[in-house]
Amino acid sequence: GAVVSQHPSWVICKSGTSVKIECRSLDFQATTMFWYRQFPKQSLMLMATSNEGSKATYEQGVEKDKFLINHASLTLSTLTVTSAHPEDSSFYICSAIAETQYFGPGTRLLVL
Amino acid sequence: GDSVTQMEGPVTLSEEAFLTINCTYTATGYPSLFWYVQYPGEGLQLLLKATKADDKGSNKGFEATYRKETTSFHLEKGSVQVSDSAVYFCALRANQAGTALIFGKGTTLSVSS
Repeated sequence: GAVVSQHPSWVICKSGTSVKIECRSLDFQATTMFWYRQFPKQSLMLMATSNEGSKATYEQGVEKDKFLINHASLTLSTLTVTSAHPEDSSFYICSAIAETQYFGPGTRLLVL
Repeated sequence: GDSVTQMEGPVTLSEEAFLTINCTYTATGYPSLFWYVQYPGEGLQLLLKATKADDKGSNKGFEATYRKETTSFHLEKGSVQVSDSAVYFCALRANQAGTALIFGKGTTLSVSS
């Protein structure tokens, strides 16, 4: 099946710094990618829909200035957590649609 | 809006026991329904899906039937194995191009030998 990769898989940063997470579709082109956030022992919450060449669509309650999404090409979307704080610590998962919806392995962010 | 409700976990079973994880949904129209599995330390994997009423999805001994009348998509397996220990997520997607999956909260299954 199709493969979606994420980088990095783990990141630890200091409060106030910005962190960029990359999501790539490795063997297909994805016009649309999705970013989810998963808290421990909870479900995946959709944060935003990333469309190639246009602005992302954010879900209600997600700060677009805090979570910057750039979908610069058909195989790459990036999520930048700006001025990260400890409450931003979470597991971030991206997803892309081919014949079905494929998920990346996730990026675990820990903000100290 | 659309939503998915699945039974709270954790579910603890002995090997070869019968498994049912309940899932119900609320949606306008006729969504597609999915079960995803997340093994420890791994990403989400599609387990099975059904795209219309009365469809049965099946994979690796797991089954789920799309029941429109009860808005349900319960996951079943006749004989679980230790290797089935994972978190299972029920999800739906509206039948509209480019829409994202909406997930339930997940149910942790632990199978002991």
